[in-house]
Amino acid sequence: LAKTTQPISMDSYEGQEVNITCSHNNIATNDYITWYQQFPSQGPRFIIQGYKTKVTNEVASLFIPADRKSSTLSLPRVSLSDTAVYYCLVSGAGSYQLTFGKGTKLSVIP
Amino acid sequence: GAVVSQHPSRVICKSGTSVKIECRSLDFQATTMFWYRQFPKKSLMLMATSNEGSKATYEQGVEKDKFLINHASLTLSTLTVTSAHPEDSSFYICSSAPGTGEHEQFFGPGTRLTVL
Repeated sequence: LAKTTQPISMDSYEGQEVNITCSHNNIATNDYITWYQQFPSQGPRFIIQGYKTKVTNEVASLFIPADRKSSTLSLPRVSLSDTAVYYCLVSGAGSYQLTFGKGTKLSVIP
Repeated sequence: GAVVSQHPSRVICKSGTSVKIECRSLDFQATTMFWYRQFPKKSLMLMATSNEGSKATYEQGVEKDKFLINHASLTLSTLTVTSAHPEDSSFYICSSAPGTGEHEQFFGPGTRLTVL
């Protein structure tokens, strides 16, 4: 399982765009990149998943460069309710075993 | 998305007692479920992989006789913490995936265990 590295914490003001970058230098050819959000005392919640280039859904965008050694989660206009820990994970197709890194604690400031 | 539930959401027990935590996939069948443990301000740590109809696979350092896992049906896995001690106090989370070609995994809401 590819190891991931993310910033430990980030602060942002409300309404700003937040970009969280994750490094995964040892990503394998068939690995997918998935981001989860976790609030205190709750289970992680799926945000977005991608394999290459750009993926966008109603809550976020995921940018993956051609070499796939990193990825960036982009939250367009954060609100106070986006304060949470965000985890970047890499896993192979057909394998649901996940290894969580330390995640990035995002604090949104009013 | 798919729904995974856990019961109970929180439990307080005396040292030495056993506690059972249930994990259910409400709208899909799950041949595989995962159990995680999370200590305060720490990340999730995979404890074991629960396989329907067969023995669970435990991660290194997790005592299989301490944390009993039963996956008797395609929608239910249980984790029993036997002879619980204060150091077993933690947040226990299960997860699963429909296995229909999607890669998204769904997590339960977690169970807060406090052992006095």
